[in-house]
Amino acid sequence: AQTVTQSQPEMSVQEAETVTLSCTYDTSENNYYLFWYKQPPSRQMILVIRQEAYKQQNATENRFSVNFQKAAKSFSLKISDSQLGDTAMYFCAFGYQGAQKLVFGQGTRLTINP
Amino acid sequence: NAGVMQNPRHLVRRRGQEARLRCSPMKGHSHVYWYRQLPEEGLKFMVYLQKENIIDESGMPKERFSAEFPKEGPSILRIQQVVRGDSAAYFCASSLTLDRGNTEAFFGQGTRLTVV
Repeated sequence: AQTVTQSQPEMSVQEAETVTLSCTYDTSENNYYLFWYKQPPSRQMILVIRQEAYKQQNATENRFSVNFQKAAKSFSLKISDSQLGDTAMYFCAFGYQGAQKLVFGQGTRLTINP
Repeated sequence: NAGVMQNPRHLVRRRGQEARLRCSPMKGHSHVYWYRQLPEEGLKFMVYLQKENIIDESGMPKERFSAEFPKEGPSILRIQQVVRGDSAAYFCASSLTLDRGNTEAFFGQGTRLTVV
């Protein structure tokens, strides 16, 4: 069975700083997908970024990028030039066969301070 | 193009009552997933449905919980004889067909169920 672990329950940084959220996972599969979701106080789950395991290049979406280390089973999220609107819970998720049956980590509560 | 619509947003039930949660997937999406989120925890997979079929219900409790996705109308998650431990946020997600190019599940805003 797949498991996803986020070891940082809470993080706090100043606006404009860079912050990195950690995520490790365990699986015996070779082809899979990894995701970072953002959950603001509205509770809406918003996809931030995704990575396909067969791609060696790290995914990037504007200020968001990942450091995907397949051998170490590590998938961290880096947020550059953090903004107040980045304040939210962030969940790392594992997906075998894409979007089907995602396995989520426990989440990291990120606070961006003015 | 409306997103995934869940209703109601908030639902209060007394112990022993039934709870019905509805989910309308995004237009054109034929795959629906239900997840449960307990306070301060991540989402836990419950069930995966396609039209008129349950594909994977490995995360569903064996008793009192059921789900359907009829040919017409929304997907329904039904909880019979609710107990306090059922209090949680229930999220629905939908996706297109599961070919290699499709890797995104779109989530609704969830239904917060409170059992009193």
